[in-house]
Amino acid sequence: NAGVTQTPKFQVLKTGQSMTLQCAQDMNHNSMYWYRQDPGMGLRLIYYSASEGTTDKGEVPNGYNVSRLNKREFSLRLESAAPSQTSVYFCASSSGRAGNEQFFGPGTRLTVL
Amino acid sequence: GQQLNQSPQSMFIQEGEDVSMNCTSSSIFNTWLWYKQDPGEGPVLLIALYKAGELTSNGRLTAQFGITRKDSFLNISASIPSDVGIYFCAGLRSGGGADGLTFGKGTHLIIQP
Repeated sequence: NAGVTQTPKFQVLKTGQSMTLQCAQDMNHNSMYWYRQDPGMGLRLIYYSASEGTTDKGEVPNGYNVSRLNKREFSLRLESAAPSQTSVYFCASSSGRAGNEQFFGPGTRLTVL
Repeated sequence: GQQLNQSPQSMFIQEGEDVSMNCTSSSIFNTWLWYKQDPGEGPVLLIALYKAGELTSNGRLTAQFGITRKDSFLNISASIPSDVGIYFCAGLRSGGGADGLTFGKGTHLIIQP
């Protein structure tokens, strides 16, 4: 099992460019999440998907959109990147049942110039 | 958005020493999780706590779910060089389901030679 995988590992964008971050999990988990991590901060929730076909906003959703493509895949899109979106982005998944232990991918390091 | 109050921010210790860190919140959480993050990697789950008062061990790690459900602590006994990293506490408000986690800002553990 690969667990949670993310692509790309690194990305540099210019202000105004768009891009999609990809995430996939092979643990048959129902729920998937996108977090961002900024220096000196813990992780903050951007969006999550409780199950296939549903998505909900988290703490910091502005400037992002998500798509739960199928049970395995959950993508995060930046339509018009801004320097404030420079961050490390982590995808996570969980069974969605009691306890909700979340398992994280290796992250995507995004720089917006 | 609320973040958990995690302390200390950083710890400089000698190899072999015991380590203690904690998280507090003004809100009740129904699940507490402790993660470790190495440089350039995603967080890795260390211990999960589900009941108030619960004390759980994982090798040299011991964590407790505070009786008020507003705090948790993590102890590491007899530290070794590979314990270096950032430790995060995370809380889940709901008893189950797919809610996102609320994270502390992390404790940097540095082991001095």
